[in-house]
Amino acid sequence: SSELTQPPSVSVSPGQTARITCSGDTLGDQYISWYQQRPGQSPVLVIYRDTKRPSGIPERFSGSNSGDTATLTISETQRVDEADYFCQGWDSGSAVFGGGTYLTVL
Amino acid sequence: QLQLQESGPRLVKPSETLSLTCTVSDYSISSGHFWGWIRQAPGKGLQWIGTIYHSGTTYYNPSLDSRVSITVDTSKRQFFLKLSSVTAADTAIYYCARMEYCTSTNCYWPIGIDPWGQGTLVTVSS
Repeated sequence: SSELTQPPSVSVSPGQTARITCSGDTLGDQYISWYQQRPGQSPVLVIYRDTKRPSGIPERFSGSNSGDTATLTISETQRVDEADYFCQGWDSGSAVFGGGTYLTVL
Repeated sequence: QLQLQESGPRLVKPSETLSLTCTVSDYSISSGHFWGWIRQAPGKGLQWIGTIYHSGTTYYNPSLDSRVSITVDTSKRQFFLKLSSVTAADTAIYYCARMEYCTSTNCYWPIGIDPWGQGTLVTVSS
């Protein structure tokens, strides 16, 4: 798919589970990565190859990808998790990003 | 630990060419992986500009292809971005990063995009 669609915002209470979705045609046929971007900072990889977590990323972060939807799940959400989250995939040799979802923890 | 640092002019005049350098620390570009440029207009999302392999093979965003050139100097551990005929729409934070590359059938070095440089804001204005 040439477009990845994310909800503009998601809100969650501290300690609850946040789920951020990324949708696109045949998304399940490609690897999806997720990035966290706190205000004023560079993006940081939190999930790659759909489900893998880089070293240093808390186990609270997990990913899934099936059908037309990839999901980033943050368990036991903390205030430090408040940030923009972007999904990223590939379309015919071009990297494509979702529009981003701002996670509010309140 | 692998780090990347962008450098170059912060202000570019309309119609001129934007030129940036990415310097890679504590890692040999020739060791593998792909290297790329991504930008983010103020308050907006991320846009992939292009990717290069240490051999010099390049892949560009089709929407920028006619204006973009990415090159590499492995001996200096640097890769470069040139974007010609810039307009105000090219004002953005420009990031360099180590990255994977995926076609319709294969993914090479499937590590996502990691790490990213700190980014440099380039403003296009007269």
